[in-house]
Amino acid sequence: GAVVSQHPSRVICKSGTSVKIECRSLDFQATTMFWYRQFPKQSLMLMATSNEGSKATYEQGVEKDKFLINHASLTLSTLTVTSAHPEDSSFYICSVKTDGQGGETQYFGPGTRLLVL
Amino acid sequence: GQNIDQPTEMTATEGAIVQINCTYQTSGFNGLFWYQQHAGEAPTFLSYNVLDGLEEKGRFSSFLSRSKGYSYLLLKELQMKDSASYLCAVRSEGGSYIPTFGRGTSLIVHP
Repeated sequence: GAVVSQHPSRVICKSGTSVKIECRSLDFQATTMFWYRQFPKQSLMLMATSNEGSKATYEQGVEKDKFLINHASLTLSTLTVTSAHPEDSSFYICSVKTDGQGGETQYFGPGTRLLVL
Repeated sequence: GQNIDQPTEMTATEGAIVQINCTYQTSGFNGLFWYQQHAGEAPTFLSYNVLDGLEEKGRFSSFLSRSKGYSYLLLKELQMKDSASYLCAVRSEGGSYIPTFGRGTSLIVHP
């Protein structure tokens, strides 16, 4: 498997500020990481696929200029929410894709709860 | 696209058995996942089915019928700690590697 950490675990910020969330793969070199967003009582929605050394691939409806993703190394991907607004308040979760067999090939971080005031 | 349906909420008694159903409609099929997610935490992998039938893993079992677009997660000998949201996720054939998640079923286990 893979152990994935996220920092910070929760953050409160003022509207209009930018927030950076880090996702680290602690024991696995991840060429691909994923960023999800989850609103209360809703499903996990894939925002983007983060590829090491290249541009992220964004899902339809996700603004790439608002949600900046940087995957500069095999162990770190960052998501920056620029000019955050209250509607961006959500639970942001990253995951790491591994080369395991069967279904256990995606390992999730513990999530970051963002509250924009 | 994909459409995944599962009940919003279920309740059960400690020690009992509960079955959480998931139906899906997808263009092509390449695997169905079940995840457990406690409040405020990330999902943890429970099971993966790609062929029809029952997969048993301890107290948890997962069943798949591809022809019916149907799966269920069976939890036996329920414990209080099993109170969580259970997410059904389906991966399509050919396209993205990533599965699409349902909204989850919130299971409440009471004494």
